Amino acid sequence: KAGVTQTPRYLIKTRGQQVTLSCSPISGHRSVSWYQQTPGQGLQFLFEYFSETQRNKGNFPGRFSGRQFSNSRSEMNVSTLELGDSALYLCASSLASEETQYFGPGTRLLVL
Amino acid sequence: AQSVTQPDIHITVSEGASLELRCNYSYGATPYLFWYVQSPGQGLQLLLKYFSGDTLVQGIKGFEAEFKRSQSSFNLRKPSVHWSDAAEYFCAVGRIDSGGSNYKLTFGKGTLLTVNP
Repeated sequence: KAGVTQTPRYLIKTRGQQVTLSCSPISGHRSVSWYQQTPGQGLQFLFEYFSETQRNKGNFPGRFSGRQFSNSRSEMNVSTLELGDSALYLCASSLASEETQYFGPGTRLLVL
Repeated sequence: AQSVTQPDIHITVSEGASLELRCNYSYGATPYLFWYVQSPGQGLQLLLKYFSGDTLVQGIKGFEAEFKRSQSSFNLRKPSVHWSDAAEYFCAVGRIDSGGSNYKLTFGKGTLLTVNP
């Protein structure tokens, strides 16, 4: 089976712009979770989607949003980018919410 | 506050030496427990997991971990480290939140492993 894929792998944006990241889960997985990884804060949970519904949300501002499509692919969007949004954004998929999560390679976002 | 603690930020071992990475958690019930490894610029790869049953868990790449309920610990071990094991290791805890409906995976801050030749 193919693993979790994320596109793009690298992205450079400027402050105030918005960005959309994409995640394709492992075939058959219906849950997709997003994480932000920074050197200072480590891995922080953003949100989880299951069957096109947001099941859980971390402590991030409303500028961070996401959605899931009927084929379980997910996107996350960050609007009005700030310098502090520079991070590695990781997507993980699992069969269901409480199942083991498998991670993609991440999207490295740099905000200038 | 509920948390996952990896006390060692950075560990250096010689190739061929044994390794133990520590992980402690502070949750009331026994959660699901995981170890992941991350190479530079990469995503997280699952090494092993514990849900229930035998408290000694075998994983990939020769790693094992032992769950000790009395110590709220889930330490990762390897008897002989290889240079390719140099990476960052993350302990993670999965549990239902206090509201009783949402499952969440919480990570420790990670331990960076350096392997000397």
